[in-house]
Amino acid sequence: DTGVSQDPRHKITKRGQNVTFRCDPISEHNRLYWYRQTLGQGPEFLTYFQNEAQLEKSRLLSDRFSAERPKGSFSTLEIQRTEQGDSAMYLCASSSTRLSSYNEQFFGPGTRLTVL
Amino acid sequence: GESVGLHLPTLSVQEGDNSIINCAYSNSASDYFIWYKQESGKGPQFIIDIRSNMDKRQGQRVTVLLNKTVKHLSLQIAATQPGDSAVYFCAENGSGANSKLTFGKGITLSVRP
Repeated sequence: DTGVSQDPRHKITKRGQNVTFRCDPISEHNRLYWYRQTLGQGPEFLTYFQNEAQLEKSRLLSDRFSAERPKGSFSTLEIQRTEQGDSAMYLCASSSTRLSSYNEQFFGPGTRLTVL
Repeated sequence: GESVGLHLPTLSVQEGDNSIINCAYSNSASDYFIWYKQESGKGPQFIIDIRSNMDKRQGQRVTVLLNKTVKHLSLQIAATQPGDSAVYFCAENGSGANSKLTFGKGITLSVRP
């Protein structure tokens, strides 16, 4: 499968614990995005990278959240001191500015986080 | 603030009929729009896109219409099939360097056999 992959698919954690999610974009896609989706809502933008540079962060991304893309390929999203309000589906998407001048974003299957 | 919204929360159609899903957007500067389909437990799946210099684009069984005058987007699905049952989202990408997509809340399409 050459699509966007995410790991793990599901994560259950206790409040106060740290969690880390991984995203592997479509190869050759230079842009990588993180979104959060709660039940019944559309995805909400969190942050995005072009290659290894983090170019934009949403106000939703509190200081407990950090994202990295050190080599411009895979990315990690870490949530420290998780809260119950962090329970959501975390989606990763990728796109290519080289293949298209428009922003076709392709999504992975998501990581569903449940904070107890 | 700017938003993208959908008019109806659910749509029920008979198998074989055509479906029309509507979306209103408020950012007049948006230059690119995408329709996504999301099945339970999965990520959004790209269906079709349209650029602001077009008013219609056709794919396989799907057509997207864009009316910039009233800031309205629609997705038409021909000969709706049970496999089309899912939640559908419209998303818009603001103009220029803005790369984030803004999504509406989603509409559930239910296909009756």
